[in-house]
Amino acid sequence: AQSVTQLGSHVSVSEGALVLLRCNYSSSVPPYLFWYVQYPNQGLQLLLKYTSAATLVKGINGFEAEFKKSETSFHLTKPSAHMSDAAEYFCAVYNAGNMLTFGGGTRLMVKP
Amino acid sequence: KAGVTQTPRYLIKTRGQQVTLSCSPISGHRSVSWYQQTPGQGLQFLFEYFSETQRNKGNFPGRFSGRQFSNSRSEMNVSTLELGDSALYLCASTITLAGGETQYFGPGTRLLVL
Repeated sequence: AQSVTQLGSHVSVSEGALVLLRCNYSSSVPPYLFWYVQYPNQGLQLLLKYTSAATLVKGINGFEAEFKKSETSFHLTKPSAHMSDAAEYFCAVYNAGNMLTFGGGTRLMVKP
Repeated sequence: KAGVTQTPRYLIKTRGQQVTLSCSPISGHRSVSWYQQTPGQGLQFLFEYFSETQRNKGNFPGRFSGRQFSNSRSEMNVSTLELGDSALYLCASTITLAGGETQYFGPGTRLLVL
């Protein structure tokens, strides 16, 4: 099965600074990749997905991610962090049988 | 459209009891997947149902079971609860579009086993 690894379980940025959350995938075939966000005491909300149509994927809330095959990466970025972005972010890869395999998650903290 | 709904939102049980959780997918979605989220193990796939049939199963003991009804609503059951079953249980419904499958998650059921 394909897998993903998220580097950094905690990331702290100042409000207005660039957000960069890292995700690397392990796949021998073009993967379907996703980023989800989880706010406290809530489920997972889909931010964006990569389906090979375009390497730069734009999502909700100003987030985007770039698929780089040469680096097997799918990092999530946002130019300017907002306090409301504080949450846990999960990278995931689709596996057969409607199974998502998730990374360990990255908790984003935004300092005022 | 209404999103994925899960009931109940919170549950407290004691060891040895059994529990049933319910999930209603987005209208028109026929696939329902279940996940367990714990601080130690993260998000792990339990099983997936499509048209009342279990198509895929994760690496969980037989105490974890599920079913799906003709209206696509799904239930999962955990028998003989253990302390380690305390977790957030998430349900997702899947839609298949031109770009592939996409899963949309419910708010989860938080289970505490005492």
